[in-house]
Amino acid sequence: AQSVAQPEDQVNVAEGNPLTVKCTYSVSGNPYLFWYVQYPNRGLQFLLKYITGDNLVKGSYGFEAEFNKSQTSFHLKKPSALVSDSALYFCAVRDIPTGANNLFFGTGTRLTVIP
Amino acid sequence: GAVVSQHPSWVICKSGTSVKIECRSLDFQATTMFWYRQFPKQSLMLMATSNEGSKATYEQGVEKDKFLINHASLTLSTLTVTSAHPEDSSFYICSARDDGFGYTFGSGTRLTVV
Repeated sequence: AQSVAQPEDQVNVAEGNPLTVKCTYSVSGNPYLFWYVQYPNRGLQFLLKYITGDNLVKGSYGFEAEFNKSQTSFHLKKPSALVSDSALYFCAVRDIPTGANNLFFGTGTRLTVIP
Repeated sequence: GAVVSQHPSWVICKSGTSVKIECRSLDFQATTMFWYRQFPKQSLMLMATSNEGSKATYEQGVEKDKFLINHASLTLSTLTVTSAHPEDSSFYICSARDDGFGYTFGSGTRLTVV
């Protein structure tokens, strides 16, 4: 069965510093991987996805993530954090070989960017 | 890009009444939509997969008679919470698969049952 782990419930970073939000996954084959951001009382906004191809994926708002197959990781990164990046971040996976149609989500990481 | 509209954004209802939540794909056809429930400070829990023109597929532990899902067209899926009780209070989010291997989410519905 598929699983997604976001080992950090909370990440704090100073404004202007680089940020990393960690995600590891477990699937039966090659995954589709996604990052979403959620602001209070809002739905999820798409940041980026990895389907195939280049392991470094660039997404919205200056975010990027690197697919690392050997470490089964898909960490989200940004070179310089903004206060407006403070939100809840979810990593998600779709386990293609199982035929699953839906996304399976991690537990989320709350990012706080300190001015 | 793909847009999913979800209404209402919030609703307060009395215990025992039913509430309908709509999820529309505005600029693409969605043969499959998903309904999630999110508890405070927790992740999204998949409730059911809604397929256009057929019965929804419910996840284990989700009462299909309580959470009625209808996907009558390629752009509209509805979730009806029947005979709502305070424990049904939650944040409900719909999602649709777009045509670019992605998933677009609605803005969510905050349901409060009093």
